Amino acid sequence: NAGVTQTPKFQVLKTGQSMTLQCAQDMNHNSMYWYRQDPGMGLRLIYYSASEGTTDKGEVPNGYNVSRLNKREFSLRLESAAPSQTSVYFCASSPIDRGGKAFFGQGTRLTVV
Amino acid sequence: DAKTTQPPSMDCAEGRAANLPCNHSTISGNEYVYWYRQIHSQGPQYIIHGLKNNETNEMASLIITEDRKSSTLILPHATLRDTAVYYCIVSDLYPEYGNKLVFGAGTILRVKS
Repeated sequence: NAGVTQTPKFQVLKTGQSMTLQCAQDMNHNSMYWYRQDPGMGLRLIYYSASEGTTDKGEVPNGYNVSRLNKREFSLRLESAAPSQTSVYFCASSPIDRGGKAFFGQGTRLTVV
Repeated sequence: DAKTTQPPSMDCAEGRAANLPCNHSTISGNEYVYWYRQIHSQGPQYIIHGLKNNETNEMASLIITEDRKSSTLILPHATLRDTAVYYCIVSDLYPEYGNKLVFGAGTILRVKS
């Protein structure tokens, strides 16, 4: 099984550009999450989706939008990238009966110049 | 969400047991204790979780005090590959809201030969 797959793995954007980070899971999990991790810090929750068709803000949602396209896919969009959004982005998923046992992707390393 | 307190760093000799402490004095009755680790900027990896009883799996043991205000993660025979940041997280199981995991700074465990 692939688990949680994120694309792209690396990206460099110019300030003001937009892009979408893709995430897909093949474990039939209900919940999906987007986190960001700045250098030397822990992960911070951006948005999450408890189930297909629902999304909610996490700790640091400003500057981002999300789409739960279907049960497998949860995308994160930066409409107008800023240098402060330079970070490593992790997608995760968890099953409905073990919500705390999450599985993470390998991350997307985004640099905004 | 209840908060946790962990030492910023610890060292352990290879082959010895690594004991990582965590304080969660404000934990509520329906909150579990989860442990994750993150090796060199990879996606976090689930290790173990528990409610009030001690737990053991192939990776580690989790000891939770009787008052549930603190816990210890034990890696019985640490190897160099266990060098990582270890996160202690408390979280309830309300899957309809998406079980959000709130990561702190964690403990950097350095296993030395």
